[in-house]
Formats: sequence, structure tokens, C-alpha cells
Amino acid sequence: AQSVTQLDSQVPVFEEAPVELRCNYSSSVSVYLFWYVQYPNQGLQLLLKYLSGSTLVKGINGFEAEFNKSQTSFHLRKPSVHISDTAEYFCAVRINAGNMLTFGGGTRLMVKP
Amino acid sequence: DAGVIQSPRHEVTEMGQEVTLRCKPISGHDYLFWYRQTMMRGLELLIYFNNNVPIDDSGMPEDRFSAKMPNASFSTLKIQPSEPRDSAVYFCASSFGTGGYEQYFGPGTRLTVT
Repeated sequence: AQSVTQLDSQVPVFEEAPVELRCNYSSSVSVYLFWYVQYPNQGLQLLLKYLSGSTLVKGINGFEAEFNKSQTSFHLRKPSVHISDTAEYFCAVRINAGNMLTFGGGTRLMVKP
Repeated sequence: DAGVIQSPRHEVTEMGQEVTLRCKPISGHDYLFWYRQTMMRGLELLIYFNNNVPIDDSGMPEDRFSAKMPNASFSTLKIQPSEPRDSAVYFCASSFGTGGYEQYFGPGTRLTVT
């Protein structure tokens, strides 16, 4: 079975600073990878996804993530965060032959002025 | 498209009462998922359907929980009887099996059982 680990439960950062949210997964088969964002009192919204091809994936709101197969990682980055990026971020994995997503525990990004 | 629609958005009920949560997936999507989110356990998959048929219900906590999908545009999650530990946010999500594989989430139902 696959699993997802988000190493940081909370990440405080000042506005306009860069940020990296870490995600590692374990799976014995090929996977698809996703990052979702959840704003307060809302559902999850897709930020970006990796299915195949280029390992650097760009998403909405200036976020990007890099798939590293050897390190089984899919870290999310943004060069300059805004107050509005304050939210919970979830990494998720889906095995190629499956339909279910396995989610990490989430990372709460707190952007301070 | 209006996205995934869930109702009610908030539900407060007393222990022992029956609770029914509703979901309308995005038109054309053939997969539907029910999740529960709590501070302690995070986001848990309860059950999912493909073409209205339940495929995996291994995440359903116990017999008090049941889910149905009578047609492609409607699903329910029922808790009977409800208990305080069922308090959580319940999300419905849908996806298109041969598409981009991402799931589209509804806004959730916040359930409080007193």
C-alpha cells in the first residue's frame, strides 16, 4: 500500500519570502502525485498534478512542485508568498492502476505580514 | 458547471438521531468519493463508487454508516444512530475515471453531534 508523509505540520513564513512544503511518498508501483489547497471553511482545490513527463510541474497561484523519483519526493515551492496563501496544503498520491487518493496529514502554511 | 454540491452545509443534531448528508457530483463524472476530515485523523476516505456501484467501503467506520448512490447525479451518506465522535467535516468528491485523475471536492458538510 502507498503512504504519504508531510514532514511539517505547520510552516510559518513572512510575506514575500520563499517557501517549500515537503512531501514524501512510498509506493512499490508507479504513482500520480497531487497537491491540493484548502482555505478555511472550504473544500480542497487542486493546485497541481504530476502524471508523467517533465518533473517540474507548475500550478495555479504561482506554485510549482518537482517530482524526484529517486528520493520519492514531491515538494511544493513558491518563490514569494502572499498573505492570501495562508491555508492548509495536502499532498496526495494515486497509484497508476487505482482510483483512490491517499492523502498526507497536511501542512498549515501561515504567512505573516 | 456548478461543481460538486453538498447539502446541508452545516448540521447540528443530538446523539441518537439519524443524519443524512447529500451530494451531487459534477455531471459526467463516473467516480464519487466520501471523505471525513477531523483534527485527530486528518482526511479519511470512507467509501467510493464507480458508475453508481460501491467499489470500496473499507473506510466506513462501522455499521452505523451507510452510503448509497441511486443514480449518477445523487449520493447520500447516512449515519444512524449518530454519536458525538461522528462530529467532523464530511466531503464529497467526484472524478472522471479516464480524465486527468484529479478529484473535485465539494464545500463539505460540517456535522456536530451533541
